[in-house]
Amino acid sequence: AQSVAQPEDQVNVAEGNPLTVKCTYSVSGNPYLFWYVQYPNRGLQFLLKYITGDNLVKGSYGFEAEFNKSQTSFHLKKPSALVSDSALYFCAVRRSSNTGKLIFGQGTTLQVKP
Amino acid sequence: NAGVMQNPRHLVRRRGQEARLRCSPMKGHSHVYWYRQLPEEGLKFMVYLQKENIIDESGMPKERFSAEFPKEGPSILRIQQVVRGDSAAYFCASSPPATAEEQPQHFGDGTRLSIL
Repeated sequence: AQSVAQPEDQVNVAEGNPLTVKCTYSVSGNPYLFWYVQYPNRGLQFLLKYITGDNLVKGSYGFEAEFNKSQTSFHLKKPSALVSDSALYFCAVRRSSNTGKLIFGQGTTLQVKP
Repeated sequence: NAGVMQNPRHLVRRRGQEARLRCSPMKGHSHVYWYRQLPEEGLKFMVYLQKENIIDESGMPKERFSAEFPKEGPSILRIQQVVRGDSAAYFCASSPPATAEEQPQHFGDGTRLSIL
């Protein structure tokens, strides 16, 4: 069965500091991995994806994520956090061969304090 | 290019009534997905449709819930005889047809369903 774990319900960082939001996954076969951000009362916005190739992927708004196959992780990172980055972040996985269903983690609330 | 459009944004129904949620995918997208987000939880997959076809409905409750994506018009998620436990945010997403599994899904802003 496919699953995604986001071990932290909330991450607090000071503005200007680096941030990491953790994600580990379990899937048979090759994973397709995604990060989304959700602002209050809005839908999910796509940030970045890993399909194949370079383990470090860069996405929108200065975010990046590193795919680590041995640790089955796909942590989201940003070198310098902004207050406007405060939101709910979701990691999602899809099996490369499957029909399209995304499996989401529970979400991590990021709070960036001035 | 308009994004995924969902309506209504908010829907209030009494127990036993029917709820119809609509989703118009992004232009050029022929794959539609429905997800449900319960309070304090992540999104759970419900159903995946292409035009006139249900591809995967493994996340749909067996009773009262149905979905369609007709040749013309929006995709509809229909919930009959609603119960309090149906209160949630329902999100629609779409993706283009080419190598759909590699494409990110683009989400609408959701319909927040409240059952009185």
